[in-house]
Amino acid sequence: QKEVEQDPGPLSVPEGAIVSLNCTYSNSAFQYFMWYRQYSRKGPELLMYTYSSGNKEDGRFTAQVDKSSKYISLFIRDSQPSDSATYLCAIASQAGTALIFGKGTTLSVSS
Amino acid sequence: ETGVTQSPTHLIKTRGQQVTLRCSSQSGHNTVSWYQQALGQGPQFIFQYYREEENGRGNFPPRFSGLQFPNYSSELNVNALELDDSALYLCASSWGGGGNQPQHFGDGTRLSIL
Repeated sequence: QKEVEQDPGPLSVPEGAIVSLNCTYSNSAFQYFMWYRQYSRKGPELLMYTYSSGNKEDGRFTAQVDKSSKYISLFIRDSQPSDSATYLCAIASQAGTALIFGKGTTLSVSS
Repeated sequence: ETGVTQSPTHLIKTRGQQVTLRCSSQSGHNTVSWYQQALGQGPQFIFQYYREEENGRGNFPPRFSGLQFPNYSSELNVNALELDDSALYLCASSWGGGGNQPQHFGDGTRLSIL
């Protein structure tokens, strides 16, 4: 079983839709959860950084962590064509040095 | 605030050659991590440098090696290049060592092996 699983999509939605992106992970030692956005031919850009369970909101983005289910989500409200990118979830433990990434979900928002 | 910069942006090499990739960390950061991203995959952790020493390593062979300099910039060296080494190599900087701090990435070096 991989440490983190993410559906690669692709996911296509119309402008203005609410987008839900999800990852599951296998090891309860992971306590730090991140979402990155990666445009074509660019490096990943940190969108959200959360510790432990709960919700965190930043503008149109909401990150949700459910440690009991080992499930993390990113919600995008009022999606825009500029949100078209690959979204990567990443997890980390207190003791480790590596970020463990999912494969990424490719999102396309059409106008 | 200066972001993470990597050079070169693109590189073409042949099998068996050696390559050096460079990374300047974001101002205020003292930790550099290197990742390999194959097409259609998430980044895979190679190693991390903190206080000029290797601070953790992923499942990569010894022909992948690195350095960190007193100004916190870093190099990734790959010897005896193989076709499977073709990938985007990403550098990320953070503060304080470990993987639990937010890591900020550069735009990578795209390495092609012929």
